Amino acid sequence: DAGITQSPRYKITETGRQVTLMCHQTWSHSYMFWYRQDLGHGLRLIYYSAAADITDKGEVPDGYVVSRSKTENFPLTLESATRSQTSVYFCASSELWDTQYFGPGTRLTVL
Amino acid sequence: GDSVTQMEGPVTLSEEAFLTINCTYTATGYPSLFWYVQYPGEGLQLLLKATKADDKGSNKGFEATYRKETTSFHLEKGSVQVSDSAVYFCALSLNSGNTPLVFGKGTRLSVIA
Repeated sequence: DAGITQSPRYKITETGRQVTLMCHQTWSHSYMFWYRQDLGHGLRLIYYSAAADITDKGEVPDGYVVSRSKTENFPLTLESATRSQTSVYFCASSELWDTQYFGPGTRLTVL
Repeated sequence: GDSVTQMEGPVTLSEEAFLTINCTYTATGYPSLFWYVQYPGEGLQLLLKATKADDKGSNKGFEATYRKETTSFHLEKGSVQVSDSAVYFCALSLNSGNTPLVFGKGTRLSVIA
């Protein structure tokens, strides 16, 4: 299917475990983004990527790792999950610094 | 730095009421401006955008005009429906350099029948 997908849609994990959230887009967009959404904070940018093998930190990168070996994929890894990382995570892509297309989100709960 | 300020919600309206959600921005240069909408349980999707001063973006009965003199991009709809209940985000893009979209914190709209 064309578009941007995220997996899993829901994840429950425990403190200290490693978790990887997947993001895949079929448009061959150059730019990809990871956001977290929390009540009272709106959307906060975690990491973004302008092309394969190019990534940059956003507003709240601590505790997260990203990679982008292929244009279409942009996984986000929590190396040692903490309760404060309980959130809804959105991936997005765009061709320019312009309209972004968002995935459906992953709801992550860290116990 | 560059920023977007939206009116705080939640906003609760009756069906067929007039809607205004205020958005003002601070930016160096000449940004493009956007409104995104997030329906319950979904990701954000573009509602409308404007790329230069005095442009009007419109979609699904919603409108917003890019006002450079007041640095504003207020969202309006003449007659809201229950199906418009969602969270609305104002955002800006600087069109140059290496800066992603800057989002406001969002305004939750609830429309009651």
